[in-house]
Formats: sequence, C-alpha cells, structure tokens
Amino acid sequence: GQNIDQPTEMTATEGAIVQINCTYQTSGFNGLFWYQQHAGEAPTFLSYNVLDGLEEKGRFSSFLSRSKGYSYLLLKELQMNDSASYLCAVGDSNYQLIWGAGTKLIIKP
Amino acid sequence: ETGVTQTPRHLVMGMTNKKSLKCEQHLGHNAMYWYKQSAKKPLELMFVYNFKEQTENNSVPSRFSPECPNSSHLFLHLHTLQPEDSALYLCASSPHLERGGADTQYFGPGTRLTVL
Repeated sequence: GQNIDQPTEMTATEGAIVQINCTYQTSGFNGLFWYQQHAGEAPTFLSYNVLDGLEEKGRFSSFLSRSKGYSYLLLKELQMNDSASYLCAVGDSNYQLIWGAGTKLIIKP
Repeated sequence: ETGVTQTPRHLVMGMTNKKSLKCEQHLGHNAMYWYKQSAKKPLELMFVYNFKEQTENNSVPSRFSPECPNSSHLFLHLHTLQPEDSALYLCASSPHLERGGADTQYFGPGTRLTVL
C-alpha cells in the first residue's frame, strides 16, 4: 500500500529551529511537496523536491533522500505565525498526490 | 489570496437536503480537484477533472456528484448526506495533468460542511 508518515504534533520556541520529518512508501515517485495550512485556511505550497539534496528558500529548507524514502522540512528563526499544520505529499506513478495527515506545529514564546 | 475561491465557506444541512458547493479558479489552470479533509486524517482525493473531463473517481459514494462545466468552474452536488460526511471540502487547481508528472496544486479556502 501507499503510506506517508509524519509526526502528529511538534512544539518549538520562537526564534529556534525545528525539523519536521516525513517518510513515504509509494508506487512510483514524482516529487515530494510540502504545504503549510493555518487553521481554517487553505493549504499553501511551500516547496517541491524531485532530486536528492537540500532546497533552500528563505527561512524554510526541504531535504529529500529518495533511496531512504525520507524528507524533512527545516524551519529557522521561528515566528509565532509559523504555528500551522505542515503537510507532506508525494506524487505517485499515476500523477496523483498521496498526502500525509499533517504535523501540527505549535510555537511558544 | 491563492486565486481559487470557494462558496459557501460554511454550510449546515440536514440529511434530506440537496446543496451544491462551488469552486472557481482564476489561474488559467486546466486541472481541478475535490478533496475531503477530516480532522487528523490525510487529504482524501475525491474527484479529478482535466480539461473538463473527469479522470478519477476514487470510489466516492454517489451522494456526491461533481460537475465541471468549464476549466474554471467546479461544483460538488450533495444529496442525502450522512453525518460522517461532515468535513472540510477543499477545491484545488493545477496547470495540467500528465502521467509521470506531479503538478503543484493551489487550494481554495474550503467549505466547512456539517451534516445534522
């Protein structure tokens, strides 16, 4: 079967760094996406990795290892507004996105 | 503002009602999607349309009926729903669909549906 695993909830401190992990098992692989979803709002696109390595975009970075079926999203200099759910999704061989249940990130002052 | 709008934002309906959800995208995309999002569960893909043609129906009960009159508009018609259908219904669009590729999807804010 197809499966995306990520922690249910994480807590971090304002100004610190947090790493959200995602592991996947899918039929085929056509890239891995990270989305951010604030409570009551639409998921918004953060990053896309299709090759191994680190992609950096401002305070956010995303890493991919295809051989390990593993990705992480790294958030630096955390702000209170980073409190949200972070969704990991993988494109499978049928061009559909397979979604994880999301990681709720709580930022404390 | 992501360029994808959904109405209504909130909907409460009885099990015998008929209602429709509307989605409109202003991004010039060719693919549109309906998802169901329940608390602490992964997004569930319900329907996919590519160039107005339905390409996927992930075993969705017939009480949910999609309609895509053109590439910019998508509807989800609801009738005789069950309380377990209460969830957030998200619409998304992407530039195009092709096998072997994965498109970035852009989401609307969702309709919070409660079935009494």
